Amino acid sequence: AQSVTQPDIHITVSEGASLELRCNYSYGATPYLFWYVQSPGQGLQLLLKYFSGDTLVQGIKGFEAEFKRSQSSFNLRKPSVHWSDAAEYFCALTPDYKLSFGAGTTVTVRA
Amino acid sequence: DAGVTQSPTHLIKTRGQQVTLRCSPKSGHDTVSWYQQALGQGPQFIFQYYEEEERQRGNFPDRFSGHQFPNYSSELNVNALLLGDSALYLCASSLKGNYGYTFGSGTRLTVV
Repeated sequence: AQSVTQPDIHITVSEGASLELRCNYSYGATPYLFWYVQSPGQGLQLLLKYFSGDTLVQGIKGFEAEFKRSQSSFNLRKPSVHWSDAAEYFCALTPDYKLSFGAGTTVTVRA
Repeated sequence: DAGVTQSPTHLIKTRGQQVTLRCSPKSGHDTVSWYQQALGQGPQFIFQYYEEEERQRGNFPDRFSGHQFPNYSSELNVNALLLGDSALYLCASSLKGNYGYTFGSGTRLTVV
């Protein structure tokens, strides 16, 4: 069975600082991987996805993620965080059209 | 172009009651998936509908059932509500065979 682990429950970062959110997955082959963001009271918005090819994926809002097969990881990064990036971030995978999500990482941005 | 529309936005029910949640998919999408998101957790897959049939199901009891209509809209029904059913229920639509999911803002169900 597949699973996703997000080791960090909560991260606080200063505005303008860099951000990295960790995601580890368990699956027998290379799954399709996603990062979603959820603002309070909202649904999920897709930031980026990885299916195959270049292991560095660019997404919306200045986010990027790197797929590392050897580490079973798909970490999300942003070079300079804005106050509007405060939200909950979910990593997800799917081999079969149903998404399996991690428990999420809450990001707080301080001025 | 409207995205995914869910109704109602909030709902309060009593234990043992039944509830129906509704979802209208994004224009052009024909597949609807339902997820349950408990407080502080990631969404959990409930089931997926395509061509008016349940195609995949997650680890949820039979109290959770659904339906898809010819216009691709969908309903999620939960019978004999338990306190533990309190959650945000998310609907996601997509095009069959495509991984481009669009999520609605969800229905917040509170069971008292």
